[in-house]
Amino acid sequence: AQKVTQAQTEISVVEKEDVTLDCVYETRDTTYYLFWYKQPPSGELVFLIRRNSFDEQNEISGRYSWNFQKSTSSFNFTITASQVVDSAVYFCALSESHDYKLSFGAGTTVTVRA
Amino acid sequence: GAVVSQHPSRVICKSGTSVKIECRSLDFQATTMFWYRQFPKQSLMLMATSNEGSKATYEQGVEKDKFLINHASLTLSTLTVTSAHPEDSSFYICSAGNLAGEQFFGPGTRLTVL
Repeated sequence: AQKVTQAQTEISVVEKEDVTLDCVYETRDTTYYLFWYKQPPSGELVFLIRRNSFDEQNEISGRYSWNFQKSTSSFNFTITASQVVDSAVYFCALSESHDYKLSFGAGTTVTVRA
Repeated sequence: GAVVSQHPSRVICKSGTSVKIECRSLDFQATTMFWYRQFPKQSLMLMATSNEGSKATYEQGVEKDKFLINHASLTLSTLTVTSAHPEDSSFYICSAGNLAGEQFFGPGTRLTVL
């Protein structure tokens, strides 16, 4: 069963627009972790955030913000005032406390045009 | 964050040969290492989980005799693709995990089998 769903395959925006990436997850564990990673064309995964299931506070880091809603099992990611350097594939992932394996979503390709 | 290296970063080999990929955690002792495979324009799929000194646990559909994993120390795990074929061409990424459940990813190895 798909544990992490990223319904948006590709998003294209013009520079300075905001872009929101959706992530919906599924788990039976009460303790789990949610992640977002960025994968630029070089292929290396860049860690963006890790959030545990008991911390529903939204987080902001520079132009990045995350909205965690346990009621809807969602962990959405927003890039504010996008820049060309934000162009990449973004993955949402889930790790359950019983084995810590990471289940990745299919990824969303973000293209920011100048 | 912790540093994980992979070697080689890129390898091209002939069909039928074996290829070894090394994954090293440089500044911490990894209790667990994970190996992922990523085909072009697809997500990362977990292949196997390895703990130091014990046999690796393979995910469903991954041939353990084809993808040999050795985790000889807390800082080194190796993945050997035996008798490689063109369909094994992929991007292989390792991660090193600590007791807190965090995973730190290596930069990946791009394998091309001719």
